[in-house]
Amino acid sequence: EPEVTQTPSHQVTQMGQEVILRCVPISNHLYFYWYRQILGQKVEFLVSFYNNEISEKSEIFDDQFSVERPDGSNFTLKIRSTKLEDSAMYFCASSDFLTGILDTQYFGPGTRLTVL
Amino acid sequence: AQTVTQSQPEMSVQEAETVTLSCTYDTSESDYYLFWYKQPPSRQMILVIRQEAYKQQNATENRFSVNFQKAAKSFSLKISDSQLGDAAMYFCAYRSGSNFGNEKLTFGTGTRLTIIP
Repeated sequence: EPEVTQTPSHQVTQMGQEVILRCVPISNHLYFYWYRQILGQKVEFLVSFYNNEISEKSEIFDDQFSVERPDGSNFTLKIRSTKLEDSAMYFCASSDFLTGILDTQYFGPGTRLTVL
Repeated sequence: AQTVTQSQPEMSVQEAETVTLSCTYDTSESDYYLFWYKQPPSRQMILVIRQEAYKQQNATENRFSVNFQKAAKSFSLKISDSQLGDAAMYFCAYRSGSNFGNEKLTFGTGTRLTIIP
């Protein structure tokens, strides 16, 4: 069964450093998302992406964040200058159609980001 | 803005018994989707079940079923014949049925389910 993959599974970085989190969505999916979950808290939407541009972003997704689909398979989240409060689990998700029976978002296993 | 509320931070159930997890939501939309996701200790988000708001029939997936009450804005998850592998955090989530730009999921705070052997 196709699945969303994410690398790395765990990333440790120093405050102020740039990190890039990578995701490979399900191959025939067209809509891509990033969510984050701070330990012990609920999952929060960051950004959605379609047709090589951002569809929607939350207030969390400030200028420190960017997303890119550099090729036909990868979808990346970049944090330019990490802060302690960026420590969280970051989930990538993808979906097929915007509406209809196949619009369910499928999640990757997550990347645990630790900022020291 | 839509909100999702899960009022039970923790629940426990004896193995083989039935448990119901509660979820309520607030929206002014008439077209939307509701989901239950399971997050085991590995922290991966796994889809359990989904419900389209326009469907009156409650969704079922094997031992998992929902009680969807649109007027009451309630969406509870029933797990029958609970198994040890069901132990996880369960999140209720809402998605607008509107097109383009409103496809994000809004999650509740989760219910941690413990299975007692």
